[in-house]
Amino acid sequence: DARVTQTPRHKVTEMGQEVTMRCQPILGHNTVFWYRQTMMQGLELLAYFRNRAPLDDSGMPKDRFSAEMPDATLATLKIQPSEPRDSAVYFCASGLPSSGDTQYFGPGTRLTVL
Amino acid sequence: AQKVTQAQTEISVVEKEDVTLDCVYETRDTTYYLFWYKQPPSGELVFLIRRNSFDEQNEISGRYSWNFQKSTSSFNFTITASQVVDSAVYFCALSEETGGGNKLTFGTGTQLKVEL
Repeated sequence: DARVTQTPRHKVTEMGQEVTMRCQPILGHNTVFWYRQTMMQGLELLAYFRNRAPLDDSGMPKDRFSAEMPDATLATLKIQPSEPRDSAVYFCASGLPSSGDTQYFGPGTRLTVL
Repeated sequence: AQKVTQAQTEISVVEKEDVTLDCVYETRDTTYYLFWYKQPPSGELVFLIRRNSFDEQNEISGRYSWNFQKSTSSFNFTITASQVVDSAVYFCALSEETGGGNKLTFGTGTQLKVEL
């Protein structure tokens, strides 16, 4: 049963610290998405990649957030420095263009910045 | 700009009742996809269904059914004989092809509570 995996599942950190979240897409999926979910804003798309190349990162605060795909099996989302307003659940999803990019979501990383 | 509206913020039903979750969308694209996802209390987002804009056939999967009507820009989801395990937040989403990829626009979700 192929699934998207994310680590860590939970992260508590102090303001100003660097946070790195990792995602392993489903093997063979070449599109990877990063979302943030909060009560106030709902689900927001931060960035997405196709074949490891960034297609759109307009939803991401550029000054502190960065997203990369070092290889086809790993996507990372980094926040530096973190702020309390970054507290949220961060989801990674992967998909294939042939299926209309049906997105399969990972379990999420719950981030708390104190 | 694309938009997905789920006007029902929260619905409470008693087990075995049928319940319909509404979804209305706006798009200028002629080719698009509509999705439903389930988010149970555990937090993960579970894909339920994808429908493309050229396929208006209704779909049934067990107790779940979906009614797609382009004339009213709606993609409603019905759960028949609801169960406590159906309690979750349900999201409707619309895809937009942009920059070589398909971005999803999510609705705000409908919280479904099924009680005994």
